[in-house]
Amino acid sequence: AQKITQTQPGMFVQEKEAVTLDCTYDTSDQSYGLFWYKQPSSGEMIFLIYQGSYDEQNATEGRYSLNFQKARKSANLVISASQLGDSAMYFCAMREGGRDSSYKLIFGSGTRLLVRP
Amino acid sequence: DTGVSQNPRHKITKRGQNVTFRCDPISEHNRLYWYRQTLGQGPEFLTYFQNEAQLEKSRLLSDRFSAERPKGSFSTLEIQRTEQGDSAMYLCASSSSHATSGGPTDTQYFGPGTRLTVL
Repeated sequence: AQKITQTQPGMFVQEKEAVTLDCTYDTSDQSYGLFWYKQPSSGEMIFLIYQGSYDEQNATEGRYSLNFQKARKSANLVISASQLGDSAMYFCAMREGGRDSSYKLIFGSGTRLLVRP
Repeated sequence: DTGVSQNPRHKITKRGQNVTFRCDPISEHNRLYWYRQTLGQGPEFLTYFQNEAQLEKSRLLSDRFSAERPKGSFSTLEIQRTEQGDSAMYLCASSSSHATSGGPTDTQYFGPGTRLTVL
């Protein structure tokens, strides 16, 4: 069964430092996509970064990068040079991508990140 | 390019009442999704539309829940005879099955959500 596991309920990071948020996933599909979303206290889910299962290079998007280790089924988010505005909940999500697959996202339970000044 | 909008943002109702939420997706997006998020959890999938066709429904979507997307544009989610357990944030997302400049195909973009409180 599809499952996303985020083992860090909460994390602290000092402003301007880098932080890694962990995500492991379980799927029997060969084709899938992995997403990270940010949810500030306002509630809106903001798309950050995407990694396809066949992508050979780790995805990067500005200060966000995804450390994709397929054999270990992990897709950790790295935020470099943390800013106070990065304080939020972060969710890892997966979508299976086979021809008959649903387009729904399966989410983990999230990690709350607090950036200290 | 405006984002996904949802109305109302907050709804307080008494147990047993019916409520209806509206979602307006990004204009060129043909796919629309509803999720429910309870406190401290990640969103859970409820249902999905491609154009006006409802193609998948979660087991979470009991008989009291109904969703429509009559013209393939906006969508409504109705909850009949609300229960206290229905209290949650209801999130709508949309995506395009065609490649866009905004991200990989079928990236889901979310609205701000409707927070429902059932007293």
